[in-house]
Amino acid sequence: QVQLVESGGGLVKPGGSLRLSCAASGFTFSDYYMNWIRQAPGKGLEWISYISKRGDLIYYADSVKGRSTISRDNTKNSLYLHMDSLRGEDTAVYYCARDGASWYFDLWGRGTLVTVSS
Amino acid sequence: QSALTQPASVSGSPGQSITISCTGTSSDIGGYNYVSWYQQHPGKAPKLMIYDVSNRPSGVSNRFSGSKSDNTASLTISGLQAEDEADYYCCSYTSSTTPVFGTGTEVTVL
Repeated sequence: QVQLVESGGGLVKPGGSLRLSCAASGFTFSDYYMNWIRQAPGKGLEWISYISKRGDLIYYADSVKGRSTISRDNTKNSLYLHMDSLRGEDTAVYYCARDGASWYFDLWGRGTLVTVSS
Repeated sequence: QSALTQPASVSGSPGQSITISCTGTSSDIGGYNYVSWYQQHPGKAPKLMIYDVSNRPSGVSNRFSGSKSDNTASLTISGLQAEDEADYYCCSYTSSTTPVFGTGTEVTVL
């Protein structure tokens, strides 16, 4: 069925790195823009990154700019987010979300929890 | 980009209508018709309820409707039901070519 499944979360020490993955199925992945959105425990949603269909246009939120790299592999129907220099405030559930083409998110994964703590 | 402003909580009795506001600026809500709304039940992923200000995705109840006036967007839930109890977030495209979410509203069905 149509779905997104994130993986790669876990416990990371401050200053550490992590690579999140998102596997897409049930739709033509290469036809869609994709995003990463996160939610800190008990907090609201925060958009953090966008990538175009071919990966040639990328945007980041200021909160992760310079520390994060979004990428995709259309041959593997997969989206990725590499994060460096992790801080406590990066602790959150990270969702990948399909873009409906006018900056709305019509399909979400269940999320993967990233905890940054010593 | 600062988060859009939503009331922390809104409540209503079953069958009533409630409206959740989402206030931004001319650089986001006021400048574009790219406002969307999401419903999130505890422990679950968000679900798209409204896109492009007032469009409903297939499968979303017509009890949910969206609108916009100047720098404020609104989500109205009519015929409130127990299953509507959830957190709701607005989202808008901005002049920074990135989107911004609202602060979130907890809806309680009395």
